[in-house]
Amino acid sequence: GAVVSQHPSRVICKSGTSVKIECRSLDFQATTMFWYRQFPKQSLMLMATSNEGSKATYEQGVEKDKFLINHASLTLSTLTVTSAHPEDSSFYICRATEGNIQYFGAGTRLSVL
Amino acid sequence: GENVEQHPSTLSVQEGDSAVIKCTYSDSASNYFPWYKQELGKGPQLIIDIRSNVGEKKDQRIAVTLNKTAKHFSLHITETQPEDSAVYFCAASLAGGTSYGKLTFGQGTILTVHP
Repeated sequence: GAVVSQHPSRVICKSGTSVKIECRSLDFQATTMFWYRQFPKQSLMLMATSNEGSKATYEQGVEKDKFLINHASLTLSTLTVTSAHPEDSSFYICRATEGNIQYFGAGTRLSVL
Repeated sequence: GENVEQHPSTLSVQEGDSAVIKCTYSDSASNYFPWYKQELGKGPQLIIDIRSNVGEKKDQRIAVTLNKTAKHFSLHITETQPEDSAVYFCAASLAGGTSYGKLTFGQGTILTVHP
């Protein structure tokens, strides 16, 4: 079964609302969580890296106030897209790692109307 | 930073044929090279990986080769089956100790295996 559970799998929201995406590691402790964004027919682009208990490190061009990442426990990390706009519509994927263990979540398809 | 180029962008083969996807990387310090398979609407799944201390690794029908001098690595799938059809991504990172590090992905290859 899936060792990284990502929810929701799909979300449709109105422009201006906030959306929270959760990633849970089920069989291991995710000391580091990576969040990616993938536009249609494109590759995965790293948005930010977070270590449990620390502030996330954001990649250049990613607004930290818009994409809030919380990694308060070793089994849960959340990405909140605040004041979502249509250009934020994308496929968001988490990747949880602990040492030599790494698993991706199944992804969240966000559609902002 | 690291830059990974992947070719071809699309690959169409007949069932039973072999498929080869190639990637080049720019940072000579990178030492970890995984390959992922992504099916429509799903997250990537690791299918094989290689570290820079070996030149080749094989797992049943899948193999990966690495040329550190030329900074390129390739995925080889033999005896392809329709269920191999998916998008394949290569990636590279500087792995330290027991950590895989921050991955830089290639652009992806859409593999279609025709019955």
